[in-house]
Amino acid sequence: GAGVSQSPSNKVTEKGKDVELRCDPISGHTALYWYRQRLGQGLEFLIYFQGNSAPDKSGLPSDRFSAERTGESVSTLTIQRTQQEDSAVYLCASSLGRRETQYFGPGTRLLVL
Amino acid sequence: AQSVAQPEDQVNVAEGNPLTVKCTYSVSGNPYLFWYVQYPNRGLQFLLKYITGDNLVKGSYGFEAEFNKSQTSFHLKKPSALVSDSALYFCAVRPPESGAGSYQLTFGKGTKLSVIP
Repeated sequence: GAGVSQSPSNKVTEKGKDVELRCDPISGHTALYWYRQRLGQGLEFLIYFQGNSAPDKSGLPSDRFSAERTGESVSTLTIQRTQQEDSAVYLCASSLGRRETQYFGPGTRLLVL
Repeated sequence: AQSVAQPEDQVNVAEGNPLTVKCTYSVSGNPYLFWYVQYPNRGLQFLLKYITGDNLVKGSYGFEAEFNKSQTSFHLKKPSALVSDSALYFCAVRPPESGAGSYQLTFGKGTKLSVIP
């Protein structure tokens, strides 16, 4: 079946602009995660959604970052007033349940000029 | 809090030779351990995981990993390296217990594997 998809694959924006990143999880996966990967670094957890439960936002680095998920489908990660330090690859993952293996999308490469 | 260390930024190995990519971890309780591979401009692909049971775990593409509780290690291995194995490899850990954050994967910084023809 289809894997996790993300769009856009690349995004270049100017400092101060807002950006919206999209993630389509694997069908039937109730859990969805966002991670950030800075150049030469491992992945940092950002936010987690599980079904209709309140999301775990503990990894969001500032209040400029927010995310939403519609039911058990698409999720969007929004970064407001982007800063150059936000430049990174943003990876989305989904899993059947919170304790199952996470499968990752190809990521969105964000560059803030 | 859990942590993962991948002590080698880069590993070079000749094609056909065995390869090892090292990983050590720190977590309360018995860990869930994972290896992922990332090819250039691609997302992470799941290779294998250890939850419980046999310490030697077999995964995709001929890779295997050995869980060593006393040494808190989970090294990735392959008996005979291929040029196509050249990629970035990430080790990750997750605590087994329920509760806040138990689903979060904590990743190492990655090890770049180069297989030389």
